[in-house]
Amino acid sequence: DGGITQSPKYLFRKEGQNVTLSCEQNLNHDAMYWYRQDPGQGLRLIYYSQIVNDFQKGDIAEGYSVSREKKESFPLTVTSAQKNPTAFYLCASSIVGTGGSYNEQFFGPGTRLTVL
Amino acid sequence: QQQVKQSPQSLIVQKGGISIINCAYENTAFDYFPWYQQFPGKGPALLIAIRPDVSEKKEGRFTISFNKSAKQFSLHIMDSQPGDSATYFCAATSGYRGTSYGKLTFGQGTILTVHP
Repeated sequence: DGGITQSPKYLFRKEGQNVTLSCEQNLNHDAMYWYRQDPGQGLRLIYYSQIVNDFQKGDIAEGYSVSREKKESFPLTVTSAQKNPTAFYLCASSIVGTGGSYNEQFFGPGTRLTVL
Repeated sequence: QQQVKQSPQSLIVQKGGISIINCAYENTAFDYFPWYQQFPGKGPALLIAIRPDVSEKKEGRFTISFNKSAKQFSLHIMDSQPGDSATYFCAATSGYRGTSYGKLTFGQGTILTVHP
């Protein structure tokens, strides 16, 4: 059963603590992405990676960190430096193809993070 | 800077009616425009997409209309059903031509409710 899994589904964190969100895919996709979703703001890109051991900052990378040690895994750490971390976090993946075709992004079910 | 503006924020229609969601973009480098559908507690899924060299694309009850000169595009849902109740996001990317990475810029989202 191919797809993207995110864990946990719900996560609670105290202020000042770092927390890591898991994202795993078995679609054999090279590219992976992390988005943050807030009501009325759509999805905003945090980080993305096109290949193992390489990743790039998205539009709102401050206060977040990632690693890409394996093709199938792209964990996101929300650090204590993120001022407003309560949000719904979505992981996605896609192939990395040649130009001339849209490489559809497939999304996981998301993790809802709440800072207490 | 918000590069894709989506309206309305919420929409209520009766079963059998037509739902219309509008998006406008600023970046003329965008060359592919997907729409995503998201049910509560789930990740978004690709619904339908269009390239700017066509003015309309239809898939079943879903139609995208595209106006390149006005830099606007819209989603029409014909014969709307309660099962269509979801959040809809328009998006845009410049990853279609020549590049292998399709970075998505999302609109703010529209919450559609279809009453039976």
